[in-house]
Amino acid sequence: EDKVVQSPLSLVVHEGDTVTLNCSYEVTNFRSLLWYKQEKKAPTFLFMLTSSGIEKKSGRLSSILDKKELSSILNITATQTGDSAIYLCAVEASSGGGADGLTFGKGTHLIIQP
Amino acid sequence: DAGVTQSPTHLIKTRGQHVTLRCSPISGHKSVSWYQQVLGQGPQFIFQYYEKEERGRGNFPDRFSARQFPNYSSELNVNALLLGDSALYLCASSLMAGNIQYFGAGTRLSVL
Repeated sequence: EDKVVQSPLSLVVHEGDTVTLNCSYEVTNFRSLLWYKQEKKAPTFLFMLTSSGIEKKSGRLSSILDKKELSSILNITATQTGDSAIYLCAVEASSGGGADGLTFGKGTHLIIQP
Repeated sequence: DAGVTQSPTHLIKTRGQHVTLRCSPISGHKSVSWYQQVLGQGPQFIFQYYEKEERGRGNFPDRFSARQFPNYSSELNVNALLLGDSALYLCASSLMAGNIQYFGAGTRLSVL
């Protein structure tokens, strides 16, 4: 059974700090790893990492995929209160013509204090 | 452009009833997936449809069913509701199966 584990489950930091969120996975036939930000209801897409694209950056956010360690990190620098959210890591696997959907971790609840 | 839209936003049902949730994908997207998110957990995969055919199914009982229409919108049906079905039901669309999935705001279902 595919498995995604995120750590820490919750994190409280002060505005301006840098945070690193972790995601490890065990899947058969890995295809891609995705990061989403969930503030109220709809998870919003941040990054997709694949074997051919292991590092992504957008503004203060960046993410790296470690194919050897089967893990990924999401870094947020100079955090702002608007970064407070649940950050979800998901993995997509390919399964011989079918679709297994995304397997999600439990998420990291990040709280940025002013 | 409109994102993924879901209706209704909230729903209250009693045990044993049936519910239908609806989803309209982003224009041009042909694949729709459904997820269940229980409080404190990540979303759990229920179904994926592509070009009106079921492409994948998660570990959910037969009380859960879905379909995709010619305009690529989708319905999720749940029969014989149980208290444990209370959750946020998320719909996601993608250009095709295997592409980035974009999520709607979900339907919050409460079963009493």
